[in-house]
This record gives sequence, structure tokens and C-alpha cells, in this order.
Amino acid sequence: KQEVTQIPAALSVPEGENLVLNCSFTDSAIYNLQWFRQDPGKGLTSLLLIQSSQREQTSGRLNASLDKSSGRSTLYIAASQPGDSATYLCAVRGILDSNYQLIWGAGTKLIIKP
Amino acid sequence: NAGVTQTPKFQVLKTGQSMTLQCAQDMNHNSMYWYRQDPGMGLRLIYYSASEGTTDKGEVPNGYNVSRLNKREFSLRLESAAPSQTSVYFCASSEDITQETQYFGPGTRLLVL
Repeated sequence: KQEVTQIPAALSVPEGENLVLNCSFTDSAIYNLQWFRQDPGKGLTSLLLIQSSQREQTSGRLNASLDKSSGRSTLYIAASQPGDSATYLCAVRGILDSNYQLIWGAGTKLIIKP
Repeated sequence: NAGVTQTPKFQVLKTGQSMTLQCAQDMNHNSMYWYRQDPGMGLRLIYYSASEGTTDKGEVPNGYNVSRLNKREFSLRLESAAPSQTSVYFCASSEDITQETQYFGPGTRLLVL
């Protein structure tokens, strides 16, 4: 059964730093992996989606990488800002999981200190 | 530009009470989903509806029922609430079941005493 882990559970860094969030998964047979952002009291917003054939995706200051063989993905945030403070979740869509279900990590709560 | 809306935002129930969580989307999406989110855990799929008129169980369906009322609306019912159902519930929608991007509502925070 696919399991997705995000470490650390929480991270606090000063504004302006570059940072990396980690996501690991146990089964490399995946269609894709997505990174989401969740703000308090709000729903989730999709940030980046990496197909299994891709190595990375970029959107503005965000860069997500995927290494299927090692079961890892990273979300790189450049020049962090207080507005980046949120919980970041990753989710994988496994080939062996039925009905296109997403398997989710528990998230990393990111705090950017001004 | 409403997207996905959920009601209520917050609810307190006593054990054994019933309630229905409402979800509606205005994006003409075919597929809709109900998730629960518990502290320290990822989202877990409760039920989903691939298209109007169909519903299927997800990972944690026990204790819940759903109704796809029409293309826009997908409700989640707790017939006899239990403290273990204390959670934040999210509704989501996508163009169809194969589409990667799901759009989420703001969530319903449910406390069962």
C-alpha cells in the first residue's frame, strides 16, 4: 500500500531564505505527484504537478523535483516571503491504486518570519 | 467566482445525532469528492462521484453516506455521529475522474462530543 511521508512536520525560517520541503513515497509506480498549499481556514490549492516521466516543474519561485527510483520529491522555494507561510502537502496518484485516488502526506507547516 | 462552496463552516454535534454536509460547485465539473483531514494525517478520501448519478466508496467510507443530487451538488451525511468523526471535511471537484487538478472548498470543521 502506498504511503506518503513529509518531514519535517513544521519548519520556521527567516524571510529571504531559500528552502526545501521533502516528500517521500513507498511505491515508485505512480502516475504523478502534486504539491498543494493549504492556508488556515481555507481549502487546498494546487501548486505544481509532475508527471511520472518528468524530473521537475517550475512556477515562479517554486521548483518541484521528482526522483521516482528513490521515492522522493522536493519543493524548492526561492527567496521566501511571509506570504509563503502555509501548510504544504504532497499527494501521489499511484498506478496500482484503484480509481485514480490520491494518496496524501500529512503536510509541512511552513512559517516565514519577517 | 465561487468555485466550490461548503456549508456549514463549523458544526458541533452530540454523539448519535445526524447531519448533512453540503457541497456545490459552479465549474460544470463532472467529478466530486469528499475528504476528511485529521491532525498529523494526510487527507483521506471518504466517497467520490465520478459523474452525475454515480457514487463510489473511497478509503474510509464507514459511517457516511453520500448523495449526488445533481451535477452541481454532492452531499455527505452522517447518520449517527461518533467522536471518531471529529475532523475537517473537504469537498473537491474536477473536470472528470481522470483529471489531475482538483479544486477544493474551504472545509467544514466538525466536532462530535
